[in-house]
Amino acid sequence: EPEVTQTPSHQVTQMGQEVILRCVPISNHLYFYWYRQILGQKVEFLVSFYNNEISEKSEIFDDQFSVERPDGSNFTLKIRSTKLEDSAMYFCASSVSMNTEAFFGQGTRLTVV
Amino acid sequence: GEDVEQSLFLSVREGDSSVINCTYTDSSSTYLYWYKQEPGAGLQLLTYIFSNMDMKQDQRLTVLLNKKDKHLSLRIADTQTGDSAIYFCAESPGNFNKFYFGSGTKLNVKP
Repeated sequence: EPEVTQTPSHQVTQMGQEVILRCVPISNHLYFYWYRQILGQKVEFLVSFYNNEISEKSEIFDDQFSVERPDGSNFTLKIRSTKLEDSAMYFCASSVSMNTEAFFGQGTRLTVV
Repeated sequence: GEDVEQSLFLSVREGDSSVINCTYTDSSSTYLYWYKQEPGAGLQLLTYIFSNMDMKQDQRLTVLLNKKDKHLSLRIADTQTGDSAIYFCAESPGNFNKFYFGSGTKLNVKP
């Protein structure tokens, strides 16, 4: 069964460093998303991406964040200068269209020290 | 803004029914969802209901929606140990799969 895969499963980085979280969406999907869950809090929407551009983003998704699809298969989330409060589980998701089922990856746990 | 609330824990015995409750605030929600997360895995869509429906049944799962009270519930009949997981309620206005999730209810099924 096709699935969304995320790497790495756990990333530890020093405060101020740049980090790139990687996702391989399901191959025929056209819409891509990032969500995050700070420990003990709710899963929060970060950004949606379609046709090589951001469709919608939340207030959380500030200038420190960027997304791209560099090679037609990977979908990445970059945090330019990580802060302690960026520590969270980051989930990637993809869907065929904007209102069909979104399939989520297993998440990348980011720890900023 | 949108807010989705769930209780954090539920413990049941194997074979009993589980009922997980959720309340939401956004009256414009078009879709309401239940996702399941097993340890080390992603969020798996269990079922969803359109806001113009009251009930949806899918094998052991029954979703009830009280739109007036903005209350959603998930009933799992004959709960099994394999049902132990975190269950997330989510709502969406229907555009771009932008979900508002609850904090998740951790279901513990005791043998």
